[in-house]
Amino acid sequence: EAQVTQNPRYLITVTGKKLTVTCSQNMNHEYMSWYRQDPGLGLRQIYYSMNVEVTDKGDVPEGYKVSRKEKRNFPLILESPSPNQTSLYFCASSPKQGRYYGYTFGSGTRLTVV
Amino acid sequence: GNSVTQMEGPVTLSEEAFLTINCTYTATGYPSLFWYVQYPGEGLQLLLKATKADDKGSNKGFEATYRKETTSFHLEKGSVQVSDSAVYFCALSDQGNYGGSQGNLIFGKGTKLSVKP
Repeated sequence: EAQVTQNPRYLITVTGKKLTVTCSQNMNHEYMSWYRQDPGLGLRQIYYSMNVEVTDKGDVPEGYKVSRKEKRNFPLILESPSPNQTSLYFCASSPKQGRYYGYTFGSGTRLTVV
Repeated sequence: GNSVTQMEGPVTLSEEAFLTINCTYTATGYPSLFWYVQYPGEGLQLLLKATKADDKGSNKGFEATYRKETTSFHLEKGSVQVSDSAVYFCALSDQGNYGGSQGNLIFGKGTKLSVKP
């Protein structure tokens, strides 16, 4: 089944403790992206990657890191999480970067930083 | 800059009622337009899309027409069901200057739909 898999689904952590949210896709997609979803703000893009070793900032990159060492994986790293990063996170992928393609989304990771 | 504005929710309808969720956009060039749906506890799923003016996207009884003259992409369904209860997001994928494609999705804030039996 074609899908984007995120782990974990739920995570509660403490301020300052480094964490990684994994994202993997099995569709050989070139383009991957991370979004956060907050009430009243909709979805905002954190980082995106057009292909292996090519990443760029989205609208809200502060406090986050990403890497794209393999085509299928695009982990999101929070080096020192803070409470304002409590949110619902989605990973998404697309065949290529381009306006003709829709995205496939993962099921989300609900992160709480206390 | 590019942006998407959609009607505030929540929208509450009775089963078999007609649905319209308004969406307007601001963009340079010729964006593609999308509707995504998010069921409770799940990720977003692509519902329909249109890539040029006057295109009509349709899926599962939902329709939306790309109206460049009014910069709109309103979502409609003739007869909603309880199972349509979800949050609906309008989005655009921009086209850069000189025909280049950025391709990053810009979302509206979402409209929550509740359908009562």
